[in-house]
Amino acid sequence: EAGVAQSPRYKIIEKRQSVAFWCNPISGHATLYWYQQILGQGPKLLIQFQNNGVVDDSQLPKDRFSAERLKGVDSTLKIQPAKLEDSAVYLCASSLDWLSTNEQFFGPGTRLTVL
Amino acid sequence: AQSVTQLDSQVPVFEEAPVELRCNYSSSVSVYLFWYVQYPNQGLQLLLKYLSGSTLVKGINGFEAEFNKSQTSFHLRKPSVHISDTAEYFCAVSEEAGNMLTFGGGTRLMVKP
Repeated sequence: EAGVAQSPRYKIIEKRQSVAFWCNPISGHATLYWYQQILGQGPKLLIQFQNNGVVDDSQLPKDRFSAERLKGVDSTLKIQPAKLEDSAVYLCASSLDWLSTNEQFFGPGTRLTVL
Repeated sequence: AQSVTQLDSQVPVFEEAPVELRCNYSSSVSVYLFWYVQYPNQGLQLLLKYLSGSTLVKGINGFEAEFNKSQTSFHLRKPSVHISDTAEYFCAVSEEAGNMLTFGGGTRLMVKP
C-alpha cells in the first residue's frame, strides 16, 4: 500500500515570495491534515479536511496561508507571502476518517527555508 | 484546551541499557494518547496508542507505555535499546471527539555504543 506522498521535499525561497506544497493521501482516506513542524518543536496542526470540507482551521494564519482539497483527494497548502518565521517542515497526514481511534499516517514532509 | 509536556529534550543512553521517555498531559476531557517516532528526514511513525482498557500498552520495536490517569502521564519505556532506536520521539494527545492531535515538543533519544 502506497503511503502519503508529498512534493517537493525541499524548497528555498526569499521572504515575500509565494510557495505551494502538494499532498496525495493514502487511497480511501477521507481525512487529511496539514501540520507545521518548526525546528526543535513538535508538529502543530494547521488544518484538517474531511473529504473536501474543512473541519478545523483555527490555527491556520489565514492572512497568508491557504489550503484546499477540491476533489476530496489531493490537497495543496499555499503561503503568500512567506515570512522568515515560516521556515519549517510541513507535514501532511491522512486517516480513514475523523474518528480519534483511527491512526494518522504521515508523509515525509516538505522542508521550507525562507531567506 | 489540551497540552502535552515532554520533560526531557534529550536522553543519552548506552546501547542495551533501559530507557524511559517521560510525557505528561493536561486536558479537561477524556483523551487518547499516542507515541510517534521520527527518524531523520522522515515522517512520523506510530509506535503505540492508548484508547481504552489495559493501562499498559505494547507497541512496535519492543516499546511499551503505561497510562496513569491520576498522574496524567504516559511514559514510554524500552528494556534494552539499540543503536537503531536513535530518533526523535513525540507524545501526542487527542480528545475522544475528533482526531486532532496535540504534540509535545519531542525527546531526542541518542543511543551510544
